[in-house]
Amino acid sequence: EAGVAQSPRYKIIEKRQSVAFWCNPISGHATLYWYQQILGQGPKLLIQFQNNGVVDDSQLPKDRFSAERLKGVDSTLKIQPAKLEDSAVYLCASSFPAGGNEQFFGPGTRLTVL
Amino acid sequence: AQSVTQLGSHVSVSEGALVLLRCNYSSSVPPYLFWYVQYPNQGLQLLLKYTSAATLVKGINGFEAEFKKSETSFHLTKPSAHMSDAAEYFCAVSDTGGGNKLTFGTGTQLKVEL
Repeated sequence: EAGVAQSPRYKIIEKRQSVAFWCNPISGHATLYWYQQILGQGPKLLIQFQNNGVVDDSQLPKDRFSAERLKGVDSTLKIQPAKLEDSAVYLCASSFPAGGNEQFFGPGTRLTVL
Repeated sequence: AQSVTQLGSHVSVSEGALVLLRCNYSSSVPPYLFWYVQYPNQGLQLLLKYTSAATLVKGINGFEAEFKKSETSFHLTKPSAHMSDAAEYFCAVSDTGGGNKLTFGTGTQLKVEL
């Protein structure tokens, strides 16, 4: 079975520019997550979708970050405008909706903001 | 609120020696607990998970972990380290009330020396 796909793998931008990341979850997985992993830290949940509805976005900086999951499949995470502290790896994961089930992670997008 | 604490950001062992990576959790409800491994420039891969069944959990690549409620611990062990085990390891907790949100520790970098 195909895993979680993410693109691009690497992105370098200057501060105040905008950037978008794309994620395609495992087929049939209703739940999709975006995590931010800053160097030296564990991943931090930014937003969780159940199908195309938002379950948890309490840690999403909504003044600059936005995410959508149209049709309950692919998802896009956008940052506008980017700040230096947004430099991180952005991980997408998916799972079945039931609690306790494994989350499958994509390879991540490494963002560098100069 | 849930949290995990991983003691030791870096652990170094000799090839063939015991691997012990420590994780303590805090949760107001019975938790689900996970260990993930991350190789350089890759996403996270599940090693094993505890979901309130057997307290001794066996995972992939010879790893296992024991859930100890009295100590609020979920330490990861492997009897004999291999060079290929060198990676970063993350402990994570989620609640059992659904939602599946993971809270990660800060990670432990495992180095395996000849």
